[in-house]
Amino acid sequence: SQQGEEDPQALSIQEGENATMNCSYKTSINNLQWYRQNSGRGLVHLILIRSNEREKHSGRLRVTLDTSKKSSSLLITASRAADTASYFCATDEGYSTLTFGKGTMLLVSP
Amino acid sequence: GAVVSQHPSRVICKSGTSVKIECRSLDFQATTMFWYRQFPKQSLMLMATSNEGSKATYEQGVEKDKFLINHASLTLSTLTVTSAHPEDSSFYICSARGGGQGGNSPLHFGNGTRLTVT
Repeated sequence: SQQGEEDPQALSIQEGENATMNCSYKTSINNLQWYRQNSGRGLVHLILIRSNEREKHSGRLRVTLDTSKKSSSLLITASRAADTASYFCATDEGYSTLTFGKGTMLLVSP
Repeated sequence: GAVVSQHPSRVICKSGTSVKIECRSLDFQATTMFWYRQFPKQSLMLMATSNEGSKATYEQGVEKDKFLINHASLTLSTLTVTSAHPEDSSFYICSARGGGQGGNSPLHFGNGTRLTVT
């Protein structure tokens, strides 16, 4: 079964608003990563948060991790039209591979 | 940063033919590469893990004789879709983890290959 499940499946907001995406997973992890994918392209790594970390920031991105609830959230502040993409969480369970969630499609309208 | 180059970006082929997709790490050595398949608006499904100098490890349900993987050098892995059928049409993406990078490191992705089998 899918390890990571993103919520919502799709999100539509206006430029300047914040976008929050959530990810739930089922097993123990070493770390959780967020990736971005523009339509028809490969994935770009955004941020990695380790299992012993609770919050991490990178520019306009803020990621939280709650291992007790097996969940993570990605917050994009002051969104821009260029942020339009699909966002995936991926869990690293220590087996060298990553397991990806189904993704959230974010549409930021000008 | 680490760059993974994948080509072709698009390929259209006829049923029954074979297609080779290349994945290269341009500025680092990739001891391990991963091949994913992605259906429209779906997640990435891991097909196989390719290790330099050894046989690939295939995920359950992936036919190793149909999806041939070769990782002959530290910078190149290839995926060959043999005797392609329309149901093989999909978006194939490779990724790599550099040598020495164990856990707690990101994957570097190629830009994917859109395969259409007619």
